[in-house]
Amino acid sequence: DVKVTQSSRYLVKRTGEKVFLECVQDMDHENMFWYRQDPGLGLRLIYFSYDVKMKEKGDIPEGYSVSREKKERFSLILESASTNQTSMYLCASSDRLAGKETQYFGPGTRLLVL
Amino acid sequence: GDSVTQMEGPVTLSEEAFLTINCTYTATGYPSLFWYVQYPGEGLQLLLKATKADDKGSNKGFEATYRKETTSFHLEKGSVQVSDSAVYFCAHSYNFNKFYFGSGTKLNVKP
Repeated sequence: DVKVTQSSRYLVKRTGEKVFLECVQDMDHENMFWYRQDPGLGLRLIYFSYDVKMKEKGDIPEGYSVSREKKERFSLILESASTNQTSMYLCASSDRLAGKETQYFGPGTRLLVL
Repeated sequence: GDSVTQMEGPVTLSEEAFLTINCTYTATGYPSLFWYVQYPGEGLQLLLKATKADDKGSNKGFEATYRKETTSFHLEKGSVQVSDSAVYFCAHSYNFNKFYFGSGTKLNVKP
């Protein structure tokens, strides 16, 4: 079974802090994704990566950056946390092969910025 | 542009009732279609998928048929259980790097 793990289930941070969210997958997937999930808005893509050191902006990249130094690990960084970044953050990974592009999700990190 | 629209919830049903959650999509090509389910406190799990027109995806008693003519992928189950209470997301993807998710439909099943 594919396993995607996220470093924390719950985080509480203060405005202005730098926040790191870590995601690790164990299936050698090329693609990794960061989404945020907000009520009524569904999932919105922040960034994705299709290879080590490669990244592309999603729909809402402002205020975020990412790092992918190893294939299995994809980090989301909030450079200076703000209250409007309070949300559920979901990491996902997928294979690149045709027909195997199903995304597998981690359990999510619920972030509260005070 | 590409998008997914699904019916707003919450949907409240009694156990053993018939379930339909509507989903329609807009896409520039011929995407693969997915239903994901999110149980309380968990991430999303793939429920079923269909990769081409007229394909039917099925899993755990749920099914959905890829209807190209109506650009729809409605989720159905003949008899829901309390354990089906969750949020259901419809999604499509036609390349490997971009998924489009609907806003989610919360299902509450009462005993």
